Parts: sequence; C-alpha cells; structure tokens
Amino acid sequence: AQKITQTQPGMFVQEKEAVTLDCTYDTSDQSYGLFWYKQPSSGEMIFLIYQGSYDEQNATEGRYSLNFQKARKSANLVISASQLGDSAMYFCAMREGKSGGSNYKLTFGKGTLLTVNP
Amino acid sequence: EADIYQTPRYLVIGTGKKITLECSQTMGHDKMYWYQQDPGMELHLIHYSYGVNSTEKGDLSSESTVSRIRTEHFPLTLESARPSHTSQYLCASSEFDWGTATNEKLFFGSGTQLSVL
Repeated sequence: AQKITQTQPGMFVQEKEAVTLDCTYDTSDQSYGLFWYKQPSSGEMIFLIYQGSYDEQNATEGRYSLNFQKARKSANLVISASQLGDSAMYFCAMREGKSGGSNYKLTFGKGTLLTVNP
Repeated sequence: EADIYQTPRYLVIGTGKKITLECSQTMGHDKMYWYQQDPGMELHLIHYSYGVNSTEKGDLSSESTVSRIRTEHFPLTLESARPSHTSQYLCASSEFDWGTATNEKLFFGSGTQLSVL
C-alpha cells in the first residue's frame, strides 16, 4: 500500500488566491513526521513545512500552513495568496518513528504540479 | 540556507562509461542520502549513510555504489553506465538525532541530471 498518497497530479490557481494540495498517509506508528517540499523546474528540493504527529496545532510558515487531520490521516498543504513563483511540483513526505533504524527514511508521494496563472 | 553541492549539474555520457556523481555538504551533517527521481515522479532512496565508513542500500535497487570516507563527501559511482540509469540523482543530508528523529529535515542539493546514450 502507498504510504503517501497525493491524488492531484496537477492543480491550477489564480494569482493571489489560496490553494489546497491534498496528502493522505498510512502508518501504524504513533510517532511520525510529515513534510512538504517544493521542487521548481530547476530541480532542487526546498523544505516548506513540518508537522509532528504529536503537535496539537497546525504548522504554519509564512504563506504555508498545514491542515493536519490526524483521525483522517491527512496533511494538506494550504498556500495563501499564491504567487507566480509558487508554480512547481509539491511533494508530501513522511518519516515514521520506528526504532531500530528505519526512521532514516523519508517516504515521498508522487507529487502535485501546481500552476499559478496570472 | 542549505550548503550542499552536487556536480555535475548535467551529464550526458555513453553506455559503458564509469561515472562518479559528486556530493559535498559543509554543514557537518552525519547523515547523507542519495535519491533517484524519474521525470514527474516521486523520489526513491537508493543509498544512505549514518556517518564515516557507514553506507547502506535504500529501498530502490541500484547498480550504483557509494562511499563515505569523509563526513562532508558522499560520492555515487556507476561502474558501467546504461540507458536505464538515465534519471535525476538528488543528494541530501541531515543532522543525526539520537531520538526518533521524526522531525529530521533533509537538505537537498540541486541534483544531477544524468543521460546515458
């Protein structure tokens, strides 16, 4: 089974509007971390935001916020006031808190290509 | 800002050649990783290292090999490149956390786009 599911291959949004990118995850661990990364066409991966499974408040970083719904196992990224420079691939990722070394791994979803229209 | 560097940025090479993709970081991170990414697809972990003289294979089987002789350097080598190796290769690093480390953030390099003809 997929550990990270991003059901939106592509999304379009008008400049200055908000957009939500969906992410659901699958884990039996109680301790885990969820990440969002941005990958522009230049190829590098840029860290955006992190949410821990025990964090009671939704994470926010500037225009980025994470809508964390633990019971539904979803961690959607919300980008407010979209800018042209936000056009990129967005990846959701999870690190599980298993002992014994498997916490080395960040498992990525397939990504969502966001296009911001002027 | 992340200080992790990959060279070359682009590489076009013929089948059968030996290649080494370079990755260096100046942050003193213990953990380093190599991910492989096909166009428009997710990243797959192919190698990782917890520190000097420590290397492990990741989830995706790869014919490449890695070495970690110095903390800051984690090169990836293909002894005989094939067209099936055409992909983007991303190097990353993170600080070691003796706890569960679920919040361990990866810093990525800009990647090497490899094309094998």
